[in-house]
Amino acid sequence: GIQVEQSPPDLILQEGANSTLRCNFSDSVNNLQWFHQNPWGQLINLFYIPSGTKQNGRLSATTVATERYSLLYISSSQTTDSGVYFCAPGPYKLSFGAGTTVTVRA
Amino acid sequence: GAVVSQHPSWVICKSGTSVKIECRSLDFQATTMFWYRQFPKQSLMLMATSNEGSKATYEQGVEKDKFLINHASLTLSTLTVTSAHPEDSSFYICSATPSGGGQTYEQYFGPGTRLTVT
Repeated sequence: GIQVEQSPPDLILQEGANSTLRCNFSDSVNNLQWFHQNPWGQLINLFYIPSGTKQNGRLSATTVATERYSLLYISSSQTTDSGVYFCAPGPYKLSFGAGTTVTVRA
Repeated sequence: GAVVSQHPSWVICKSGTSVKIECRSLDFQATTMFWYRQFPKQSLMLMATSNEGSKATYEQGVEKDKFLINHASLTLSTLTVTSAHPEDSSFYICSATPSGGGQTYEQYFGPGTRLTVT
């Protein structure tokens, strides 16, 4: 399967700060999704982004499929942004990275 | 839209018994559903792909006789953990891809089922 590397593994932010999460993957993909896992375990769909750039409020994502990486930007972070962020690329079935644990402090 | 539910949300069972977990797509039809498991502080691992009307496809290392999957309709897939043992305790999550999505393979995830085997 596809190898997925997410960085950094942990990120501590002050409220209001901006951050970038990175996802490198080992093969070409037809599917790439970013998720936020909340404290109860629910995976929240952030972006479906096999290529290109998308924005949704304070979040945006860019995937450069030819160079096999994707970036998730969080701007003006809030405490509710805390949690684990997963990148999951795939030809069809998703392979999950280890995640980035984000902690936003008030 | 694109809501997936799971039932139960948590279950405790005794070693040796079987447990069934249901996954439903509430507002769309799903030819394909997926089952994952997640251990504490770890990532999600795909267990199997469930296709409506046909046998499930299991990932390498997943015992198909232990984790029985039935995809009886376009909105329901079930995972039965047979003869459960404490090492099967985990967080089980399902996902579904809307049918007729063309080239879009976006998966929508259920809230998960926490299984504890005593």
